[in-house]
Amino acid sequence: GAVVSQHPSWVICKSGTSVKIECRSLDFQATTMFWYRQFPKQSLMLMATSNEGSKATYEQGVEKDKFLINHASLTLSTLTVTSAHPEDSSFYICSARESGGGTYNTGELFFGEGSRLTVL
Amino acid sequence: GQSLEQPSEVTAVEGAIVQINCTYQTSGFYGLSWYQQHDGGAPTFLSYNALDGLEETGRFSSFLSRSDSYGYLLLQELQMKDSASYFCAVRDRDFNKFYFGSGTKLNVKP
Repeated sequence: GAVVSQHPSWVICKSGTSVKIECRSLDFQATTMFWYRQFPKQSLMLMATSNEGSKATYEQGVEKDKFLINHASLTLSTLTVTSAHPEDSSFYICSARESGGGTYNTGELFFGEGSRLTVL
Repeated sequence: GQSLEQPSEVTAVEGAIVQINCTYQTSGFYGLSWYQQHDGGAPTFLSYNALDGLEETGRFSSFLSRSDSYGYLLLQELQMKDSASYFCAVRDRDFNKFYFGSGTKLNVKP
């Protein structure tokens, strides 16, 4: 099956610094990738939709300047948490849809393993 | 906007059948998906319904009623490894966004 690689898995940073998280589709092309945030024992909250070659679209309430998303190729999207603060500590997880193929119509999302961010 | 509701937790014994319900409200709707997530792991796709009715995939089945904005995931012959969180997700009318429910933690006991 399709594989999505996300790293780093764990990151600890100081308040005020920036952290970049990468999401790669390893064996398929993904025009669209999604970034979610998950709090302990809670749902996946959609933060933004990352579109290859164009600007990301952010959900209401998500700060564009704090969570910078770049989707420079069909296999890579990055999320940069800028000027991180302790309240940004969370589990961030990306997902991708195949640009074509059988799973496109089913809407199946392939998820990365997630990145746990701790801001001190 | 979108909202999805699921029970927070369900407990069942091995070999039993369990149904996890999902009701949703959305400004536009294309389909309903189900995902399984083990603690600390990535969600994995289980099923997708775009039309009313039942979809069966092995021990798992998923049902959708568009008129009732309701769906469920049916797990049969429960096994210990089925202990996980299960999420329903709406694929919205943009055809390009997926919103997840709050998740149902399934505990399977011997």
